[in-house]
Amino acid sequence: GAVVSQHPSWVICKSGTSVKIECRSLDFQATTMFWYRQFPKQSLMLMATSNEGSKATYEQGVEKDKFLINHASLTLSTLTVTSAHPEDSSFYICSARDQRARLAYEQYFGPGTRLTVT
Amino acid sequence: AQSVTQLGSHVSVSEGALVLLRCNYSSSVPPYLFWYVQYPNQGLQLLLKYTSAATLVKGINGFEAEFKKSETSFHLTKPSAHMSDAAEYFCAVSDIRAGTALIFGKGTTLSVSS
Repeated sequence: GAVVSQHPSWVICKSGTSVKIECRSLDFQATTMFWYRQFPKQSLMLMATSNEGSKATYEQGVEKDKFLINHASLTLSTLTVTSAHPEDSSFYICSARDQRARLAYEQYFGPGTRLTVT
Repeated sequence: AQSVTQLGSHVSVSEGALVLLRCNYSSSVPPYLFWYVQYPNQGLQLLLKYTSAATLVKGINGFEAEFKKSETSFHLTKPSAHMSDAAEYFCAVSDIRAGTALIFGKGTTLSVSS
């Protein structure tokens, strides 16, 4: 089955620093990847849609200069949280759509990355 | 715009009892509907999905859900709860256009007591 990995699985960083989270499709090529954020005891909120070779599309209220997304290849998308603050502490989850998928619902989720900003 | 509403943020059942988690959707186009389960500090696991084929969908771990267009509902059920079913459950909707993201409900915490 299709597998999506995320690295790191958890990270602690100091306030003001930047941290990069990777999302990889391991056995398929993904033209589209999605980034979600989940605060404790809350649901997943879509942050942005990442298309290979083009700029990401951000949801309303998400700062594109703070959350930099790069989808440079068909198997890798990265989310960089710049100048992180404690309020950015959250669980970040990516999902990827198989390029070969005929049907829109064939998306696969990564295991998530726990970010803690101190 | 699409949305899902999960009625009841917390559901408690006894082991062996029926599990019913409610989900209503809103969509201007034919939807795809999903149920995911999330255990503490873990990612999402797909339980089942509705993709416009059969309206009664069977998933993993004995769960099933029925798509009712007239009621705009996609409730999740399991005849007999097990302690291991205690987790967070999310209903999600997507439309049929390629490349669209999932929109999630707020989630329902299922507690199972012995």
